Amino acid sequence: AQSVSQHNHHVILSEAASLELGCNYSYGGTVNLFWYVQYPGQHLQLLLKYFSGDPLVKGIKGFEAEFIKSKFSFNLRKPSVQWSDTAEYFCAVKPLTGFQKLVFGTGTRLLVSP
Amino acid sequence: ETGVTQSPTHLIKTRGQQVTLRCSSQSGHNTVSWYQQALGQGPQFIFQYYREEENGRGNFPPRFSGLQFPNYSSELNVNALELDDSALYLCASSLTGYEQYFGPGTRLTVT
Repeated sequence: AQSVSQHNHHVILSEAASLELGCNYSYGGTVNLFWYVQYPGQHLQLLLKYFSGDPLVKGIKGFEAEFIKSKFSFNLRKPSVQWSDTAEYFCAVKPLTGFQKLVFGTGTRLLVSP
Repeated sequence: ETGVTQSPTHLIKTRGQQVTLRCSSQSGHNTVSWYQQALGQGPQFIFQYYREEENGRGNFPPRFSGLQFPNYSSELNVNALELDDSALYLCASSLTGYEQYFGPGTRLTVT
């Protein structure tokens, strides 16, 4: 069965610090990869996605992620976080075979202090 | 904002009752998926509908059922509610092969 691991459950950073959130998945075939963000009181929003091509993908609000196929990883990065980045971040995987089931990690709660 | 809407926003039910949650897909999307997000967890896939037929199901019992209508809106029905069914229920719509867009969710509390 497919699974997604997010290594950090809670991260606390000061504004302007750099961010890296880890995500590893287990699945032998080809996948699409996603990062979703859930701001307090808001719905899940797509931050960025990887379907194919350049393994370094850029998303909204200055976020980027790198797909490393050999490590089954899709880590999320941002060079300088802002207080408004306080949210919960979810990594998700969708196998390309079968139906469009998203498998989510358990999420990382990020708190950015001003 | 994605254009996916869900109703109601919050719901309180007692154990053993039945509940129906509703979702209106983003315009033009032909696929709808439902997820359950328990507190402190990531969303868990319940099932997916494409052109009014269920075409995929996660590890949920048959008392979780659904419908998709010709206008691509959808319902999630849960019978014989249990305390562990308390969660945020998310609906997501998409075009086949593309990313999913989530609604705001329905918070279900079972007492």
